[in-house]
Amino acid sequence: EDQVTQSPEALRLQEGESSSLNCSYTVSGLRGLFWYRQDPGKGPEFLFTLYSAGEEKEKERLKATLTKKESFLHITAPKPEDSATYLCAVRYSSASKIIFGSGTRLSIRP
Amino acid sequence: ETGVTQTPRHLVMGMTNKKSLKCEQHLGHNAMYWYKQSAKKPLELMFVYNFKEQTENNSVPSRFSPECPNSSHLFLHLHTLQPEDSALYLCASSQEGGGPGNIQYFGAGTRLSVL
Repeated sequence: EDQVTQSPEALRLQEGESSSLNCSYTVSGLRGLFWYRQDPGKGPEFLFTLYSAGEEKEKERLKATLTKKESFLHITAPKPEDSATYLCAVRYSSASKIIFGSGTRLSIRP
Repeated sequence: ETGVTQTPRHLVMGMTNKKSLKCEQHLGHNAMYWYKQSAKKPLELMFVYNFKEQTENNSVPSRFSPECPNSSHLFLHLHTLQPEDSALYLCASSQEGGGPGNIQYFGAGTRLSVL
């Protein structure tokens, strides 16, 4: 069964405490893996897209990596403003096949 | 105006009402999407329109009826909804055909409550 699983469901960190979020997937014909950030009451905001195993992307305190089975979103020295829900999505098989994970709710305490 | 705009932002309707959600994209994209986001559940893809043609309908009940008059506008017509249809409805757009997996840009959503 095609599936995208994110872990942990929720993560509370102290400001400056680095950690990683996980997105594992089981689909055939990966066409792209996407990370989004979603703040309460808003739509998802695009962060990164990764297309092949070994690829890495960075933006400020965030770094996304991809293997054949999973992706990690590493957050280095986070700040309270990084608090949000982080969503992972996978496109596969055809352009219309998209699955989102349930998200990780990240909370950064000052 | 830029990006993807959804109206209204909030909607309360009774089970016998008929209402419509509107989405407009100002990004020059050729594909548009409707998603449903319920509490504690992943985003669920409902409909996909590519070049104004519906290419995906993920077993959505007929009380939800999409309309895409052109590549910039997308509507979701609602009638005789159920309380379990209460959710955040998100619209997205992307430029298809230019690569292996194209980026979707989302609107802020319409928070729907069915009484």
